[in-house]
Amino acid sequence: DTAVSQTPKYLVTQMGNDKSIKCEQNLGHDTMYWYKQDSKKFLKIMFSYNNKELIINETVPNRFSPKSPDKAHLNLHINSLELGDSAVYFCASSQEGGRPGAFFGQGTRLTVV
Amino acid sequence: GENVEQHPSTLSVQEGDSAVIKCTYSDSASNYFPWYKQELGKGPQLIIDIRSNVGEKKDQRIAVTLNKTAKHFSLHITETQPEDSAVYFCAAHKASGGSYIPTFGRGTSLIVHP
Repeated sequence: DTAVSQTPKYLVTQMGNDKSIKCEQNLGHDTMYWYKQDSKKFLKIMFSYNNKELIINETVPNRFSPKSPDKAHLNLHINSLELGDSAVYFCASSQEGGRPGAFFGQGTRLTVV
Repeated sequence: GENVEQHPSTLSVQEGDSAVIKCTYSDSASNYFPWYKQELGKGPQLIIDIRSNVGEKKDQRIAVTLNKTAKHFSLHITETQPEDSAVYFCAAHKASGGSYIPTFGRGTSLIVHP
């Protein structure tokens, strides 16, 4: 059983489109994250959700919006995609009351053409 | 905000040698320091972590040390093996309200030659 799963693994789309990436965790964790990893492997946190409340929101464009239908899911919606959005996006989860280190999904490679 | 510096960016060693990766952080409020290993095409995997009230932690061939005064922490891998080849990330977390805000280093590409 995959602990943190995200779909799709690869996403190729045209500029201007709207797309979503889904994430689910079966670890019972109370916090989920979205990270962006650029071509130089730099990992930057984008969002964090704890008990359905947004608690971290880095300076990302408002074209990006996280949606959490329940504690086990945190989806990422991206509107009006731009070339610079091309990157690998990782979902992660952690248990903040215990060990805050995150469990990561396998990543979604987004390519905007 | 927090700033985490990680060195070196690339580290090449022979199998059996030791490898050391160092990180420094800027915010003295940071109190949790995990290390991640990322293999090609995969997500980062938590391999070891340390809290600010502990100076050293070991798990088989890997160990982490923390110097709170100097604000630096290091990852030590002994008896390196080719399967240790990967990108390693350090991170520093500080508590904000009820949660931790993570900041990552830029990563170290470790290459272990057979």
